Amino acid sequence: DGGITQSPKYLFRKEGQNVTLSCEQNLNHDAMYWYRQDPGQGLRLIYYSQIVNDFQKGDIAEGYSVSREKKESFPLTVTSAQKNPTAFYLCASSIRQLDSPLHFGNGTRLTVT
Amino acid sequence: QKEVEQNSGPLSVPEGAIASLNCTYSDRGSQSFFWYRQYSGKSPELIMSIYSNGDKEDGRFTAQLNKASQYVSLLIRDSQPSDSATYLCATSTGGYQKVTFGTGTKLQVIP
Repeated sequence: DGGITQSPKYLFRKEGQNVTLSCEQNLNHDAMYWYRQDPGQGLRLIYYSQIVNDFQKGDIAEGYSVSREKKESFPLTVTSAQKNPTAFYLCASSIRQLDSPLHFGNGTRLTVT
Repeated sequence: QKEVEQNSGPLSVPEGAIASLNCTYSDRGSQSFFWYRQYSGKSPELIMSIYSNGDKEDGRFTAQLNKASQYVSLLIRDSQPSDSATYLCATSTGGYQKVTFGTGTKLQVIP
């Protein structure tokens, strides 16, 4: 079955450590996205990518980094510079077309203490 | 001003009634509009998409778009308790297909 896989589902880290969240898709989608969701809030865009080796900052990119070396993969690194990293992180993908909806993974819940 | 604005709710409606969810957006370059439903702790799922002014119907759901007023809405007819969720409005803009979400409206359907 085609879909988007985010791993792990839950992730715990100590403050000051970098952590990388995995996102893999087998839908052959060109576009991929990372969003952050805090309790009771909507989705805020961190980074997005339309093609391999190219990506754009979203609205809250500070403290995060991404890479897009392969079409299927778009890992997100939460660095120690991110002041409030505890959140629910969602990865999504879509066809590279303006009217194409996003397909979401199941999310990773990151807790930093 | 937020790019996509929604009333956070909760919006409470009795079972069988029509639920009306509203969304405004600030970027006139927005070209595509989406409604997603999100249950607590889960990822969003697409309900409706709309690209042209007017109404679009799909079963119990009707999306309405008014680009002049920068307004998009979602009507849910015959609301069911299973419709209780948070409804997220999203817009897609620009050549890089930036997709921006509102903060969501929590809907409660009372049996």
